[in-house]
Amino acid sequence: QLVESGGGLVQPGGSLRLSCAASGFTFSNDWMHWVRQAPGKGLVWVSRINSDETNKKYADSVKGRFTISRDNAKKMLYLQMNSLRTEDTAVYYCARDGAEDYHYGLDVWGQGTTVTVSS
Amino acid sequence: DIQMTQSPSTLSASVGDRVTITCRASQSLDSWLAWYQQKPGKAPKLLIYKASTLEAGVPSRFSGSGSGTEFTLTISSLQPDDFATYYCQYYNSPYPFGQGTKLEIK
Repeated sequence: QLVESGGGLVQPGGSLRLSCAASGFTFSNDWMHWVRQAPGKGLVWVSRINSDETNKKYADSVKGRFTISRDNAKKMLYLQMNSLRTEDTAVYYCARDGAEDYHYGLDVWGQGTTVTVSS
Repeated sequence: DIQMTQSPSTLSASVGDRVTITCRASQSLDSWLAWYQQKPGKAPKLLIYKASTLEAGVPSRFSGSGSGTEFTLTISSLQPDDFATYYCQYYNSPYPFGQGTKLEIK
């Protein structure tokens, strides 16, 4: 199970830190992702982190503004979002990469947390 | 970057129909393609990975095929629970999604 938190209303240019608590699986061996969905729009991949934080990837739209991180001891995933723009308004999902179990897709998803960037 | 294009964007069908959704990629994906189902207000659910492998617990009326640049998701006999939006995704960085196909009741 994955449970996101930390969403809310923030002004353009502001910052927000999303958290994702994992339970029911090992977590420390799993790559993890953030995916977002703007209101009424499709899914957009945001970022991915490998198990030991040595490899991080970002969508071009968030590169240099967002930072993904994790704490394996606490089974937590994070997304630090800086310099927020109105176009970052979305529901943000954390998701597990199923590769460790040979399920080559995002096989566990949280319920999402809503980020609204508006003045 | 690889672009993913789904067709159609909207599909109207009836219970019992056989439906097919297509996903095309701008470059070869080998078989690194996943399909997801999403219902309104809910998180996506993984249906199929590696183009044709059914995720555990997914009904056998769902199937996937294809490789390279063209892939299909087929539902052999639509059930009421299947009306949702479906997305394909390339399972490699930058993990692009298709724009989605909304499956509606006719």
